[in-house]
Amino acid sequence: AQKITQTQPGMFVQEKEAVTLDCTYDTSDQSYGLFWYKQPSSGEMIFLIYQGSYDEQNATEGRYSLNFQKARKSANLVISASQLGDSAMYFCAMREVYNAGNMLTFGGGTRLMVKP
Amino acid sequence: ETGVTQSPTHLIKTRGQQVTLRCSSQSGHNTVSWYQQALGQGPQFIFQYYREEENGRGNFPPRFSGLQFPNYSSELNVNALELDDSALYLCASSSQGTRQETQYFGPGTRLLVL
Repeated sequence: AQKITQTQPGMFVQEKEAVTLDCTYDTSDQSYGLFWYKQPSSGEMIFLIYQGSYDEQNATEGRYSLNFQKARKSANLVISASQLGDSAMYFCAMREVYNAGNMLTFGGGTRLMVKP
Repeated sequence: ETGVTQSPTHLIKTRGQQVTLRCSSQSGHNTVSWYQQALGQGPQFIFQYYREEENGRGNFPPRFSGLQFPNYSSELNVNALELDDSALYLCASSSQGTRQETQYFGPGTRLLVL
């Protein structure tokens, strides 16, 4: 069963507008972490924002905020005031304990294209 | 930049060969994880190393193996390469025991198997 689902393969947004990228997850753990990463065409995964399962406040990092709805198991990324440099793949990931360590499980990604 | 480096950046091999990929972790990090990202997909967890021991392993066959060194750098070795091993290989470093344990990624190694 897919643990991280990103239902939007591709999205367009006008420069300077806000955009929401969807992410739903599935876990029976009480303690988990949710991450968003940006992957430009160069390939490097760039960490954007983190939300812990026990965090009561939605995470914010500059223009990025995470709309965390625990009961619905969703962790949507909101990018405000989109810039041309925001064009990239965006991945939602969940940290799970696996054996003695922890691993990230990624969704299939959303390609965001910012129009000038 | 994260401070995580990987070498080489690109590599072409033929089926049946062996390959070694290298990763230097970010200063202060003690854990290295490796991921395989096939074209058009999200990364898949291969394994994780902590204090020079394998700490967890994903659904990859034993021909995928690794090492972590005392300076926390790491190698990923793949034997008997198959065409499906063509992918972007990402290394990530983190500090186990911190609240977030955020994994910071290197630029990746693009492997093409012919």
